[in-house]
Amino acid sequence: GQQLNQSPQSMFIQEGEDVSMNCTSSSIFNTWLWYKQDPGEGPVLLIALYKAGELTSNGRLTAQFGITRKDSFLNISASIPSDVGIYFCAGQTQGAQKLVFGQGTRLTINP
Amino acid sequence: GAGVSQSPSNKVTEKGKDVELRCDPISGHTALYWYRQSLGQGLEFLIYFQGNSAPDKSGLPSDRFSAERTGGSVSTLTIQRTQQEDSAVYLCASSLEAGAPYEQYFGPGTRLTVT
Repeated sequence: GQQLNQSPQSMFIQEGEDVSMNCTSSSIFNTWLWYKQDPGEGPVLLIALYKAGELTSNGRLTAQFGITRKDSFLNISASIPSDVGIYFCAGQTQGAQKLVFGQGTRLTINP
Repeated sequence: GAGVSQSPSNKVTEKGKDVELRCDPISGHTALYWYRQSLGQGLEFLIYFQGNSAPDKSGLPSDRFSAERTGGSVSTLTIQRTQQEDSAVYLCASSLEAGAPYEQYFGPGTRLTVT
């Protein structure tokens, strides 16, 4: 079945550093979504991307929909303690309703 | 407004027992999805409802799993004869309509532990 490869699996950074994570797929997706999940909570939508090449920002977060439609990245600038959590990418193919998720990137910020 | 709600938040059950998990989607959302998240993993699609259409059950792992959606709103996921490998967080999501560009919004999940 479809799989998304998300990397890195975990990141340990200092507060104030920039963060970058990405997802790649062997399949073409029409939609890419980025979610953040805090412990004991459901994933919260951060950014949605609908067009190849699209670059979208949400505050300190920036995400891009790869031109090949098989990849996406998420950048977080000037990280702060509340950025700690697990970030998931998710993709949706044409005509499909379900989302295919990456395995997540666990972000830890050292004080 | 109110988000997606799920109950119970935690459920511990003995192997072999049946369990029911409930999801209340966001008011006005016509599409409802169930996902399963095993420890340290991403989310795995289980089943999807859209309006009065037949549900997409392609993600259900076995015939012990079933789901209903009554009146186009509340949904119940039932797991019969639970097994230890069923232990996971079960997440429900809803969206305004099916497919893009309608993003899916998630509830807090039900953590199921089968002993």
